[in-house]
Amino acid sequence: AQTVTQSQPEMSVQEAETVTLSCTYDTSENNYYLFWYKQPPSRQMILVIRQEAYKQQNATENRFSVNFQKAAKSFSLKISDSQLGDTAMYFCAFRSSFWGQGGSEKLVFGKGMKLTVNP
Amino acid sequence: DTAVSQTPKYLVTQMGNDKSIKCEQNLGHDTMYWYKQDSKKFLKIMFSYNNKELIINETVPNRFSPKSPDKAHLNLHINSLELGDSAVYFCASSQDSLTSTGSPLHFGNGTRLTVT
Repeated sequence: AQTVTQSQPEMSVQEAETVTLSCTYDTSENNYYLFWYKQPPSRQMILVIRQEAYKQQNATENRFSVNFQKAAKSFSLKISDSQLGDTAMYFCAFRSSFWGQGGSEKLVFGKGMKLTVNP
Repeated sequence: DTAVSQTPKYLVTQMGNDKSIKCEQNLGHDTMYWYKQDSKKFLKIMFSYNNKELIINETVPNRFSPKSPDKAHLNLHINSLELGDSAVYFCASSQDSLTSTGSPLHFGNGTRLTVT
């Protein structure tokens, strides 16, 4: 079974600084998908970024970018120019590309990391 | 224009009662999910449905019974509620199927269930 590990339970950063959130995962598959989700205090789950494992290029979305190291099974999220609105729980998640036997039919989440951006 | 909507947002009830949470998506997605988020914020899959058919039941007690009348709706009924059922329950949907995988999940805003 795939597992996702977020080893830092909590971080804080000053506004306008850059912060990196770490995530590692375990799988024997070669093709899969990785995601970062954000959950602000409003409780809403918001997709931040998506990465396809077969693509070498790291995904970027405005101030958010990832460092995807496939061999190391590492998928870290970098937030540049942190804003107060970035304060949230951040979840790393894994999705298999195989449909069947509990593969792609679910998204497997890490335990999350609480990020606080201070003014 | 809400994509995934679930009701109610809050549910407070006593042990032993039966309650339902409704979920609807207007994204035209084929697959819908129920996730449970516990007090430590951990998100765990409960059920997954594809075109109204159950495809994942992640060792959830029989007291939980999902029902999908059509592919746009996935409701969750819980019998004989227990204190340990207190959590936030999220409905989600995605455009995933046997022929197309890897889509992101779109989540509803969650239902906070409190059992006293």
